[in-house]
Amino acid sequence: DADVTQTPRNRITKTGKRIMLECSQTKGHDRMYWYRQDPGLGLRLIYYSFDVKDINKGEISDGYSVSRQAQAKFSLSLESAIPNQTALYFCATSALNGEAFFGQGTRLTVV
Amino acid sequence: GENVEQHPSTLSVQEGDSAVIKCTYSDSASNYFPWYKQELGKGPQLIIDIRSNVGEKKDQRIAVTLNKTAKHFSLHITETQPEDSAVYFCAASPRDSWGKFQFGAGTQVVVTP
Repeated sequence: DADVTQTPRNRITKTGKRIMLECSQTKGHDRMYWYRQDPGLGLRLIYYSFDVKDINKGEISDGYSVSRQAQAKFSLSLESAIPNQTALYFCATSALNGEAFFGQGTRLTVV
Repeated sequence: GENVEQHPSTLSVQEGDSAVIKCTYSDSASNYFPWYKQELGKGPQLIIDIRSNVGEKKDQRIAVTLNKTAKHFSLHITETQPEDSAVYFCAASPRDSWGKFQFGAGTQVVVTP
């Protein structure tokens, strides 16, 4: 089984709909992240959490929210999806030494 | 904040040749520099990393060098093989936020037989 599991792997949704992307990890790490990948832009940080009670905005948090339900679970929500949120989304965890582990990604299309 | 620039954006090499990807960073507080390989349909996977207390690190055919004074670091792949074809990302992170990365834009490497 994968160390970092994202669901769903693919999703098509309509503009204005609320959608949640889920992430769970078995690494036992406290730190978890949500990144967005767009062609030619690399990965950009949306939100991060250094422990269950800690939530921080990243570089591009507008239009997104997160929930850290447990050490192993970190979900990303789009309250009202818009087409320019079409992207590949990655969840990641990291050890205290910084070494990060990524999920397989969720491909989201907003039509 | 940190800004990481990565070059080139695409790199085509003949099998057996070497590939070099270069990154520059702006935040002098950054001291952890990982490199990730992303294959089609998969998430990024760590292939090598370097911390600011060393200048070079090798792992078989892969090496990374770091010049803290000039704020740049490079990935070197020797004896390239078709399975090295992928997108490679560099990243930088400061000590107080290890794991919270600023990524480069990525390099598409194509190794032709």
